[in-house]
Amino acid sequence: AQSVTQPDIHITVSEGASLELRCNYSYGATPYLFWYVQSPGQGLQLLLKYFSGDTLVQGIKGFEAEFKRSQSSFNLRKPSVHWSDAAEYFCAVGAARSTDKLIFGTGTRLQVFP
Amino acid sequence: GAVVSQHPSWVICKSGTSVKIECRSLDFQATTMFWYRQFPKQSLMLMATSNEGSKATYEQGVEKDKFLINHASLTLSTLTVTSAHPEDSSFYICSARDLEGLSYNEQFFGPGTRLTVL
Repeated sequence: AQSVTQPDIHITVSEGASLELRCNYSYGATPYLFWYVQSPGQGLQLLLKYFSGDTLVQGIKGFEAEFKRSQSSFNLRKPSVHWSDAAEYFCAVGAARSTDKLIFGTGTRLQVFP
Repeated sequence: GAVVSQHPSWVICKSGTSVKIECRSLDFQATTMFWYRQFPKQSLMLMATSNEGSKATYEQGVEKDKFLINHASLTLSTLTVTSAHPEDSSFYICSARDLEGLSYNEQFFGPGTRLTVL
């Protein structure tokens, strides 16, 4: 079955600290992987995506993610968190071409303390 | 580029009335639009996939007679919640896929519509 797991429901970090949000997927074909961020009451903004090539992907706002096929993971990282990064983060997976559907994880809420 | 808008951003209605939500791709043509529903502190649940000029494809468990979707043009899809009830209160988000996009499966999301049914 196709699924995305975000093991951490809620993470709290201090401003300036490093961050890693976990994402594991189960997918039968070559996956397209995405990380989105959602601020309260807002839609989703794409942080970064992986389709192929270099497994370390750079995104906006200083975020990066690494695709590890052997671990079926696509973890999101940031070396130094800012207070404005507090939001909900969603990992999603989709097929290469056979379907347009995205499967979303349950999300990780990030709280940042000054 | 790749901006998607939704209107209204929030709506309050009485139980039994119908509400229409618009989703527009502002600077690109979208053959496919998607409608999601999000409950508080939960993930997005795909409701239906809307293709321009054809009937929408609904996910299992979604009532197509209650959630009417129309995709009449390459830049506009509408979701009408018919005979709304308090349990339909939710955050509705649309997304659109760029017809000419290099990334086949990339979707661009609207800002969402908060529906409250009294």
